[in-house]
Amino acid sequence: DTEVTQTPKHLVMGMTNKKSLKCEQHMGHRAMYWYKQKAKKPPELMFVYSYEKLSINESVPSRFSPECPNSSLLNLHLHALQPEDSALYLCASSRDKGNQPQHFGDGTRLSIL
Amino acid sequence: QKEVEQDPGPLSVPEGAIVSLNCTYSNSAFQYFMWYRQYSRKGPELLMYTYSSGNKEDGRFTAQVDKSSKYISLFIRDSQPSDSATYLCAMSAVVTGGGNKLTFGTGTQLKVEL
Repeated sequence: DTEVTQTPKHLVMGMTNKKSLKCEQHMGHRAMYWYKQKAKKPPELMFVYSYEKLSINESVPSRFSPECPNSSLLNLHLHALQPEDSALYLCASSRDKGNQPQHFGDGTRLSIL
Repeated sequence: QKEVEQDPGPLSVPEGAIVSLNCTYSNSAFQYFMWYRQYSRKGPELLMYTYSSGNKEDGRFTAQVDKSSKYISLFIRDSQPSDSATYLCAMSAVVTGGGNKLTFGTGTQLKVEL
């Protein structure tokens, strides 16, 4: 079991639905991350939060909306997604001191119909 | 040229073999170097983390960094079928505003056969 917990593990949604992915960590980390991973590819960074503030948005389409309500929680709100958005969405966290290693959850496998 | 190059494999070895996985990089701003292991349908799991040139050992795993050549390696001794997974090298640079940004290699798929 990882120390970064993501829910749900699987999600199937239509292109008009609105859903949210959730991520929680209790390691006291102050930096949290969202990644997208397609099959047989490495994770691609989407967003970085540091001390609950957005520090990086890697030009992600606005149909993905991140939220960091507190230092332990990270959400990704989804709306009007496209079939090409089907992927594994990974959350990670790290201490916010320089180059501390990131620890990943097991992801949410998202399928868009 | 990609910032990080990694042989995608697949790599198949017999149980007990020594495995060598390698990455090269071009960005001198990378300061920290990591190896992650990813099993099918799981998230990446941190295996090794180092920032200086030289070797770092943890059990059957040894990470090697050569900053002058911009080359990192992961050695797995006495490989086991449970080591069968995709291995991702990753390099980090600090981000203005907090946190850090990882740049991953493409991953090497390893299979250890009985």
